[in-house]
Amino acid sequence: RKEVEQDPGPFNVPEGATVAFNCTYSNSASQSFFWYRQDCRKEPKLLMSVYSSGNEDGRFTAQLNRASQYISLLIRDSKLSDSATYLCVVSHAGGTSYGKLTFGQGTILTVHP
Amino acid sequence: DAGVTQSPTHLIKTRGQHVTLRCSPISGHKSVSWYQQVLGQGPQFIFQYYEKEERGRGNFPDRFSARQFPNYSSELNVNALLLGDSALYLCASSLILGGNPSNQPQHFGDGTRLSIL
Repeated sequence: RKEVEQDPGPFNVPEGATVAFNCTYSNSASQSFFWYRQDCRKEPKLLMSVYSSGNEDGRFTAQLNRASQYISLLIRDSKLSDSATYLCVVSHAGGTSYGKLTFGQGTILTVHP
Repeated sequence: DAGVTQSPTHLIKTRGQHVTLRCSPISGHKSVSWYQQVLGQGPQFIFQYYEKEERGRGNFPDRFSARQFPNYSSELNVNALLLGDSALYLCASSLILGGNPSNQPQHFGDGTRLSIL
């Protein structure tokens, strides 16, 4: 079983739609959680950190359920510019490591006019 | 402020050769990590360095090695290149603060795209 699992999609949605991505992780000792966005042939860029209380940044809302080891990302009022691959990422500090990032496969989103 | 910078941006090598990739972290960041991303997959952790010491190693063969310099820049070396080493190699830097350092997000450079012929 992969440490971080995501539905690879692709998700094809019209502008203005609401879309939700889900992610599960297997390491219960995971300590920090993030969503990164990656455009085609570009580097991953931090979209937002994910906190247990849930957090919102404009049209983006992230949720974390530690008991279920489940992370979600909700995008409201989708824009064409939201088209990208969304990577679910968990961080675990163990031994001497200060936080190895483990990435999901990524979920591809295409927003069309 | 400059972000994470990597060089070169693209590189073409043949099987059996070796390669050195370079990374300069964001100013003030003392931790550097290396990741390999093959097409269609998320990045895979290779190494983490902090204060010039290796702090973590992923599941990669001994052909992969790295080091960090006093100015916190880093090099990734890969020997005896194989076709399967063709990938985007990403460097990320982060702050290491007290408490739970793993809370700090990592910031990525543009990557080096390595092609093995």
